[in-house]
Amino acid sequence: GQNIDQPTEMTATEGAIVQINCTYQTSGFNGLFWYQQHAGEAPTFLSYNVLDGLEEKGRFSSFLSRSKGYSYLLLKELQMKDSASYLCAVNPIEDKIIFGKGTRLHILP
Amino acid sequence: DSGVTQTPKHLITATGQRVTLRCSPRSGDLSVYWYQQSLDQGLQFLIQYYNGEERAKGNILERFSAQQFPDLHSELNLSSLELGDSALYFCASSVRQQETQYFGPGTRLLVL
Repeated sequence: GQNIDQPTEMTATEGAIVQINCTYQTSGFNGLFWYQQHAGEAPTFLSYNVLDGLEEKGRFSSFLSRSKGYSYLLLKELQMKDSASYLCAVNPIEDKIIFGKGTRLHILP
Repeated sequence: DSGVTQTPKHLITATGQRVTLRCSPRSGDLSVYWYQQSLDQGLQFLIQYYNGEERAKGNILERFSAQQFPDLHSELNLSSLELGDSALYFCASSVRQQETQYFGPGTRLLVL
């Protein structure tokens, strides 16, 4: 079957670094998305990883290991506005994109 | 602003009623997706259209239906509404299937 696992909640301190993990089991794999969603708002696209390795985009980086079915989103220099849910989504072959339940990140001052 | 528009932003109605939610995709996008998100829940995929044709179905109730029109806008119809249908309904679009989805601002539905 298709399955995506992420921690339900995480807490970090302003200015720190946090890593949000995502593991997946899907029938086929084309790539993995990360989205950010503030409470009551629409998800916004952060990154899309197709190949193994780390992709950096400003304060946010995303890593993928296809052989391990594993990805993480790394957030550096945390700001209060980074308090949000982070959704991992997998793009399987010949099927609809599957979203994880999301990780709610709380930033403490 | 993702370029995806949804109307209305808010909708309050009573149990048993029927409502229609509307979505206009980004210019050039052929795929439209509908999602339901209840309070503190993840995104539940409902249905996907590509260039006017239904392409994938998720956990969509029989009371719900959707279509994509020739101008590529889409409508989600919810009928015989129940209290549990209260949720945020998001529309997303992408250029082609299985590409990055861009989400509209959502319609917040409250069934009383």
